[in-house]
Amino acid sequence: DAGITQSPRHKVTETGTPVTLRCHQTENHRYMYWYRQDPGHGLRLIHYSYGVKDTDKGEVSDGYSVSRSKTEDFLLTLESATSSQTSVYFCAISDGSSGYGYTFGSGTRLTVV
Amino acid sequence: DQQVKQNSPSLSVQEGRISILNCDYTNSMFDYFLWYKKYPAEGPTFLISISSIKDKNEDGRFTVFLNKSAKHLSLHIVPSQPGDSAVYFCAADELTFGQGTILTVHP
Repeated sequence: DAGITQSPRHKVTETGTPVTLRCHQTENHRYMYWYRQDPGHGLRLIHYSYGVKDTDKGEVSDGYSVSRSKTEDFLLTLESATSSQTSVYFCAISDGSSGYGYTFGSGTRLTVV
Repeated sequence: DQQVKQNSPSLSVQEGRISILNCDYTNSMFDYFLWYKKYPAEGPTFLISISSIKDKNEDGRFTVFLNKSAKHLSLHIVPSQPGDSAVYFCAADELTFGQGTILTVHP
């Protein structure tokens, strides 16, 4: 998607290993978000950031941490991956305007075996 | 406790007919409601929104209706096209999403 990229697109990892997903934007938007998508649950917010070094927890933050050292990058880390964290992860960006929606990345499909 | 619910997992419609996707919410303090469309292997894309002070918003073939007393909103697509086949998510205040409804439009 224009202005936002996620890497990697696919990853398979073993239980207990740390994993970091990267979200990179070129829009200079203040707000960045990490969601996970699971069947029957839709999109659930994991963590979000409202500025460099400013982050907060979402609905399903247990087992995840984030960091934002630059405006353009928002990293999601699974400290010790579990099978329940097998999911599709989406990053989104916003300039904070209400009612105009977020711009989402193409997603990272993570499989924990 | 899910604050935004889409109770129909799927909907099948004939090309040219109307598609109606529904969404219910529990929090009367939500300011905005949004609809996103998602194709396989892509991220969701913003489709249309409505402020809580309005009851209708229209954009081309897409119209969103808001019934605040019933805490219910719906997305109407007229006429439906095969390219509309996708997963549709409703969201409230851009942070809380429903489970999604798979729309299939048959030629």
